[in-house]
This record gives sequence, structure tokens and C-alpha cells, in this order.
Amino acid sequence: EADIYQTPRYLVIGTGKKITLECSQTMGHDKMYWYQQDPGMELHLIHYSYGVNSTEKGDLSSESTVSRIRTEHFPLTLESARPSHTSQYLCASSDGGVLPYEQYFGPGTRLTVT
Amino acid sequence: EDQVTQSPEALRLQEGESSSLNCSYTVSGLRGLFWYRQDPGKGPEFLFTLYSAGEEKEKERLKATLTKKESFLHITAPKPEDSATYLCAVPANQAGTALIFGKGTTLSVSS
Repeated sequence: EADIYQTPRYLVIGTGKKITLECSQTMGHDKMYWYQQDPGMELHLIHYSYGVNSTEKGDLSSESTVSRIRTEHFPLTLESARPSHTSQYLCASSDGGVLPYEQYFGPGTRLTVT
Repeated sequence: EDQVTQSPEALRLQEGESSSLNCSYTVSGLRGLFWYRQDPGKGPEFLFTLYSAGEEKEKERLKATLTKKESFLHITAPKPEDSATYLCAVPANQAGTALIFGKGTTLSVSS
């Protein structure tokens, strides 16, 4: 079944640790996105990719980095986690060309940095 | 600045009590408007895409409509399982197909 996966679902980690949030999709989509969402707040785009070896920063400044070496895989890395990074991180993918198409979201990773 | 505003922030309905949620936007040259449903602790679930003023889409008890300045999500005879946060989003001009989201309307339907 075509889907989008995120691991881990929950992560509690200490300040200064390096972490990688995984995102994979089996829908063959070229476009992938990372959003950050705090409780009761809107989703904010932090990174996006339109294909392999293509990555761009979104409208919300983030200390995280991303890579896109394979079409299906779009991991997000924090080199040194801080309490301000505590949030929900949502990965999405979409099909299509010039016109915007609907994005399909993974279940999210709830990150807590102590 | 591109912006999406949703109202009300929260809505409580009795089962069977129909109502509407509003999404207004200030994006110039709208290239689509998307409605999502989000349950607590989960990722948003896609509901509808509307591309032009006058367009309507329906799914079970939900109907989405679009004008040049706003969109409405009409909920007819809601059930408790319709309780969720409903999000509206539009493409950001500078970021191609990435989306700008509103804060959402949290709907609670009691039996």
C-alpha cells in the first residue's frame, strides 16, 4: 500500500545530542516537505525538495538540515538539539508538475529536548 | 504577505446541527486551496482541493466551496466522529507548491 512513514513517532532526547528524523514514502512522489507544528499553532514549512539532490529552506528559519539522495527518502537532521527544538515535525509528499497538488502527510514525530 | 485566516477558532455542535467553517486568504493569484482534517497527535489528512472560484467538492457530510476571497467548509448533520481540527491551506507563491496553513478550526460534535 502506498504510504508515507515517519520514525520515530516519539523522541525524548537531551540537549546537545545529534538526531535524525526519518521520512520515507512509497508513492513515487518527486516533491517532499518538512513542516513544524507547535500545539494549537499552524504548520510552518522548514524544508522542501523537488527531487533528488534538490533541497531548499522554507519560510520558517530552522537549524535543521535535510538531504535527498533517494526519491523515497527525505531525512531531517539536528546536529545539536536544544529545548527550543521541541515540537511536532511532519513530513509530506506530493505529485504533480507546475500546478500545486495535494500533499500527503506522515503521522509525525513528536520531539522533546530536555 | 501571504496569509490564511480561519474562523471560528473553535466550534461546538450538537449531533445533527449543521454549520460552516470559514477560510479567508490574501494570496495574490490563487493557484489552489486545500482542506485537511487533523486528529490529535496525527498528521493532516487530505480532504479537498479547489482550484477556481465557484468550484464545489463534496465528501459524505462535508462540502467545500470557493470564492475569490474565501472558502467555506459546510458540515451537514455532523456526527461525533467528525470532531477534529480542520485546516485550510494555499500554495505560497515564492515556494512553488509548498503550502501556507491557517491555524485551523477545532470542531467538537457531541451526541
